[in-house]
Amino acid sequence: DVKVTQSSRYLVKRTGEKVFLECVQDMDHENMFWYRQDPGLGLRLIYFSYDVKMKEKGDIPEGYSVSREKKERFSLILESASTNQTSMYLCASSFPHGQNYGYTFGSGTRLTVV
Amino acid sequence: AQKVTQAQTEISVVEKEDVTLDCVYETRDTTYYLFWYKQPPSGELVFLIRRNSFDEQNEISGRYSWNFQKSTSSFNFTITASQVVDSAVYFCALSEETSGSRLTFGEGTQLTVNP
Repeated sequence: DVKVTQSSRYLVKRTGEKVFLECVQDMDHENMFWYRQDPGLGLRLIYFSYDVKMKEKGDIPEGYSVSREKKERFSLILESASTNQTSMYLCASSFPHGQNYGYTFGSGTRLTVV
Repeated sequence: AQKVTQAQTEISVVEKEDVTLDCVYETRDTTYYLFWYKQPPSGELVFLIRRNSFDEQNEISGRYSWNFQKSTSSFNFTITASQVVDSAVYFCALSEETSGSRLTFGEGTQLTVNP
């Protein structure tokens, strides 16, 4: 069964901490994505990557950075966590434009910043 | 810029009713891809369908059907004879050919099916 695995289901961090969210896929997908989901706002794209060491800003990149050193791993970094970054974070991966069964999502990481 | 609008924030129906979830999109590309996802209470997004812009045939999969109309930029989703297990948030999404596979979502529609 194909999988996107996010390292943590729940995280609680303090304001100002540097936070790493890890995502690993086993489907040899070129593309990987980070979204955040907030009530009433749907899923908003933070960053995506279409190749190793490549990254593109999404709609809300401020306060975040990413790293993709290997094809299967895409990390989201909160440089200095703030309370407004409390959210559900979803990682996804895909072949170009979701061919062959669409975009596959992980189970999500619910991050609380206190 | 690509945009997806799901005007229905919440829908509530009684079991066995048919229900249609609306999706309207905006794009300047001639080649694009449309998707529907289901997010049950467990939270994981489940892929339902992918449709490319050159294929306007309607699709049926069991109790699910999709109506793609380029003339109105709509990609609506109908559940026939709804069941309690259909209760979930449903998202419509769009990927443009020129946007590097980025997937833009609508706001989602919360569907509640009551017994």
